[in-house]
Amino acid sequence: DAGVIQSPRHEVTEMGQEVTLRCKPISGHDYLFWYRQTMMRGLELLIYFNNNVPIDDSGMPEDRFSAKMPNASFSTLKIQPSEPRDSAVYFCASSLEGLAVSYEQYFGPGTRLTVT
Amino acid sequence: AQSVTQPDIHITVSEGASLELRCNYSYGATPYLFWYVQSPGQGLQLLLKYFSGDTLVQGIKGFEAEFKRSQSSFNLRKPSVHWSDAAEYFCAVGARGATNKLIFGTGTLLAVQP
Repeated sequence: DAGVIQSPRHEVTEMGQEVTLRCKPISGHDYLFWYRQTMMRGLELLIYFNNNVPIDDSGMPEDRFSAKMPNASFSTLKIQPSEPRDSAVYFCASSLEGLAVSYEQYFGPGTRLTVT
Repeated sequence: AQSVTQPDIHITVSEGASLELRCNYSYGATPYLFWYVQSPGQGLQLLLKYFSGDTLVQGIKGFEAEFKRSQSSFNLRKPSVHWSDAAEYFCAVGARGATNKLIFGTGTLLAVQP
């Protein structure tokens, strides 16, 4: 398997523009997670899905952020409108089983977002 | 709610020396505990995990960690560090129950001197 795939790897955009980050989880994995990593706040969970259904979005910072998972092989994280404070590395991760079973999360390489 | 603390932001060791990275957690019961490693420009990779049973856990790349309930700690160790171990290391804690959320520490950046 190719692992978790994220695109783009780097994104530079201007404040106010819409940004869409994409993720393809490992085939067969039932859980998908979106994280944000910054120097100030470290690695934060934004939202996670189980079987394409959003389970916990309490980490989504505000209404400008939205995430979807239309099918088992694709998820998007959208920021509209983007702001400079959204600059961060965004990671997608997937896992085969839940925390109570075995639970290894496999991380993608991340998307480095810069909002100017 | 659970939390995790990594008190060392940055550590430098000489190649061949032993390594111990500290991790302390806060949780009312026995948590699930993890160590991940992040190489520059890469995503995180799982080194090892503790769910139950033997408190000394072996992981990949020669790492091990010991769960100490009395100290609420899960320190990562390696007897002899290689230059390729230079990376950032994250401890994470998960709560038992319905949630599947992991809480990550702020990370420890490891530098290895030749």
